[in-house]
Amino acid sequence: AQKVTQAQTEISVVEKEDVTLDCVYETRDTTYYLFWYKQPPSGELVFLIRRPSFDEQNEISGRYSWNFQKSTSSFNFTITASQVVDSAVYFCAGGIDNFNKFYFGSGTKLNVKP
Amino acid sequence: DTGVSQDPRHKITKRGQNVTFRCDPISEHNRLYWYRQTLGQGPEFLTYFQNEAQLEKSRLLSDRFSAERPKGSFSTLEIQRTEQGDSAMYLCASSLAYQLGVLNTEAFFGQGTRLTVV
Repeated sequence: AQKVTQAQTEISVVEKEDVTLDCVYETRDTTYYLFWYKQPPSGELVFLIRRPSFDEQNEISGRYSWNFQKSTSSFNFTITASQVVDSAVYFCAGGIDNFNKFYFGSGTKLNVKP
Repeated sequence: DTGVSQDPRHKITKRGQNVTFRCDPISEHNRLYWYRQTLGQGPEFLTYFQNEAQLEKSRLLSDRFSAERPKGSFSTLEIQRTEQGDSAMYLCASSLAYQLGVLNTEAFFGQGTRLTVV
């Protein structure tokens, strides 16, 4: 069975602060894929990143960075210099990549205040 | 084609009524997924299609739920005899899986249909 844990229910920061969203993915699969999606108030889920379990390199994309540590099953997401537009619910998800059947965490609501 | 389209965006229905939702995926995408999201939770997988074939159904999908994708393009999700517990956001997503199934693009989600059963 797979389990995705996002322990932080809600985080509030002031604009320009850095913020890290935690995710722990538990599975017996030896190969799996981890994802982060953003859900703004409009409702659609916006894809941010897909990371295979065999690639533990950190990734940076603009103000976003991801740190994957297989030993602790963690796939954390950091936003540097947060902006008000980053306010949304962020979901971590995991699954087998031959099809997009995800197991989602319960989400972390990020509030960025001006 | 700008993305996955879902209709209606909102639906309020009385308990016991039937409802049907539609999803139009990105045109070249051969895989289509339905998820359900209740308030404060992450989406839960319901079912998915490869072209017109429904390949997997979650146990969350009771006998009152049926999904179709008759021509491998748009899909419908019908809920019969709705119950208050069916109130949720129903999300559709699509992706492109290559012939050998080895590579599957990321899923693109629609804005969802919010169902309220009163």
